[in-house]
Order: sequence, then C-alpha cells, then structure tokens
Amino acid sequence: RKEVEQDPGPFNVPEGATVAFNCTYSNSASQSFFWYRQDCRKEPKLLMSVYSSGNEDGRFTAQLNRASQYISLLIRDSKLSDSATYLCVVQMNYGGSQGNLIFGKGTKLSVKP
Amino acid sequence: DTAVSQTPKYLVTQMGNDKSIKCEQNLGHDTMYWYKQDSKKFLKIMFSYNNKELIINETVPNRFSPKSPDKAHLNLHINSLELGDSAVYFCASSHEGPIYNEQFFGPGTRLTVL
Repeated sequence: RKEVEQDPGPFNVPEGATVAFNCTYSNSASQSFFWYRQDCRKEPKLLMSVYSSGNEDGRFTAQLNRASQYISLLIRDSKLSDSATYLCVVQMNYGGSQGNLIFGKGTKLSVKP
Repeated sequence: DTAVSQTPKYLVTQMGNDKSIKCEQNLGHDTMYWYKQDSKKFLKIMFSYNNKELIINETVPNRFSPKSPDKAHLNLHINSLELGDSAVYFCASSHEGPIYNEQFFGPGTRLTVL
C-alpha cells in the first residue's frame, strides 16, 4: 500500500463549481498534513496546512480525520487559475525533529470556462 | 529576488557521464533538500541536509551525492548517469525546528539521459 494515496483525476469542472479531493495515508504515526499545489512544469508550493479541527482559507477548506487516516480539500467557486495538480502531503515528527515530507502522486484539476 | 534557485534548468547528457546540479537559497534557511520527480509525477525525497546531519533516503543509489560548500548551497553530483535517472530534480529549503516549517522549492532541473 502506498504511503499517501490520491485519486489522480483528472477532474474537469466548469468555472464556479465546487470540487473535493480526497487523500488517505497509511502510517498512523503521521503528525502533520498539508496540501501543496503544483502548476504544469513548475515547482510545488504550499497551499495550506491541515489541522485536526479543519481549517479554511478563502475558497479552500481542508479537513483531517485521524481515525480514518483521511484528508480532504474542498475548493468552492472554482476559478480558471485553480487549474493545477494538488498534492496531498504528510509528515512524521521524530522526537522534536521534523521528518521528511511524503507526497501523494497528486490530483489534477482542470477548470474550464 | 529568487528564493531558491537551481542551475541548469535543463540538462541533456549521455549515459555514463557525470553531472552536477547547483542549488542556492537566499532565505537564510538552515536545512536543504533534494527531491526527484519521475515521469509518473511522483515526488520523492532524496536527501535532507543541515549543518549537523545528512539524511539519505536509503533507496537513493550511491552514484548520487550531495555537496554543501556552505549553508546557502546544496549541490547534487551524479556519477555514471543511467537512463532511469531522467527526471525533474527539485531543490528545497526550510528552517529547522520541531514543528513544520514550510519548504520552499526551486524551479526544478529537468534531466534527460540519452
């Protein structure tokens, strides 16, 4: 089983749609969770961290379910500029030090006019 | 100003050659990383390095070696290049600390081995 699994998509949605991405992780010791965004032929950039209580940043809402080892990202009112690949990322922390980031393969989103 | 920069952006070379990719960060970070993103877009850590410790992903062949002349630079040397080394290599940096500190990525180096 892969450490971080995502539906690769592509998700093709019209502008203004709401779209949700899901992600599962295999290691229950994972402690930090993130969504990164990667545009075509560009580097990944942090979109948002994911907190246990859930968190929102504008049109983006992230949720974490530790019991199910499941992370989600909801994008409301999709814009053309949201077209990108969304990477689910987990991290374990070891005795006060940061562990490496473990990336999912990403879910590709294409927002059409 | 570019925060994390890499050179070259593109690198095309023959099998068996030795090549280097350079990385520099001007963010004052103390930890740097190399990642490999293969043709299936899977992004995997290769190395993480700070002043104290080099952590190597055990799956990385020893043909790959990071070299850090100073805190702001972490170069990647690759010996005896193989076809399977073709990928995009990303450098990244962050502050060190017990909690998560955002990693900033360079623009990537697209390596093609012929």
